Amino acid sequence: ETGVTQTPRHLVMGMTNKKSLKCEQHLGHNAMYWYKQSAKKPLELMFVYSLEERVENNSVPSRFSPECPNSSHLFLHLHTLQPEDSALYLCASSQDLGEEQFFGPGTRLTVL
Amino acid sequence: AQSVTQLGSHVSVSEGALVLLRCNYSSSVPPYLFWYVQYPNQGLQLLLKYTSAATLVKGINGFEAEFKKSETSFHLTKPSAHMSDAAEYFCAVTMYSSASKIIFGSGTRLSIRP
Repeated sequence: ETGVTQTPRHLVMGMTNKKSLKCEQHLGHNAMYWYKQSAKKPLELMFVYSLEERVENNSVPSRFSPECPNSSHLFLHLHTLQPEDSALYLCASSQDLGEEQFFGPGTRLTVL
Repeated sequence: AQSVTQLGSHVSVSEGALVLLRCNYSSSVPPYLFWYVQYPNQGLQLLLKYTSAATLVKGINGFEAEFKKSETSFHLTKPSAHMSDAAEYFCAVTMYSSASKIIFGSGTRLSIRP
């Protein structure tokens, strides 16, 4: 595998489910990001990690919980989501903060 | 504070015509600027970036952009559109320092007419 991979690519869940999104980067980067992309809205930065430390948390509801166990992996744990949380969730990485970001293909999440 | 404005949420051009996607930024310090492209059901892919070297930046797929400080602009152009250029394009800005985030514009959807 090369670049940034995300699993699953598609996820359908009920509002009471608990699920996790996984992101893995094979680029040796130090920073990783979670974005939410909804239809007709700008890309929303959710979380930023640098060297496995969270450096940004943009007022994201607590039903989204990130985890960065090492510099190559990033998770987004989901629980008791709402239908308005349905979106494309993109993971990205960069060599260091502020540098060009490399994106994964995204996870298309649908909350019923 | 930094911000990015992309003029026109949707641009349509004929195949072979000039592509011009507009981006204006505001930043208190000289910025890094980026253009990304997103094809359907995919993540964003870097087209090109400006990091204070040459003001005319060449990217992949025949695209280029010119940094104009006096106009605070970084418009994306391609001389001759191809059907495969149909996608969403995002302009983005960050500061020189190790900023924790890149600010993305709202995107411009490019359609190509046969």
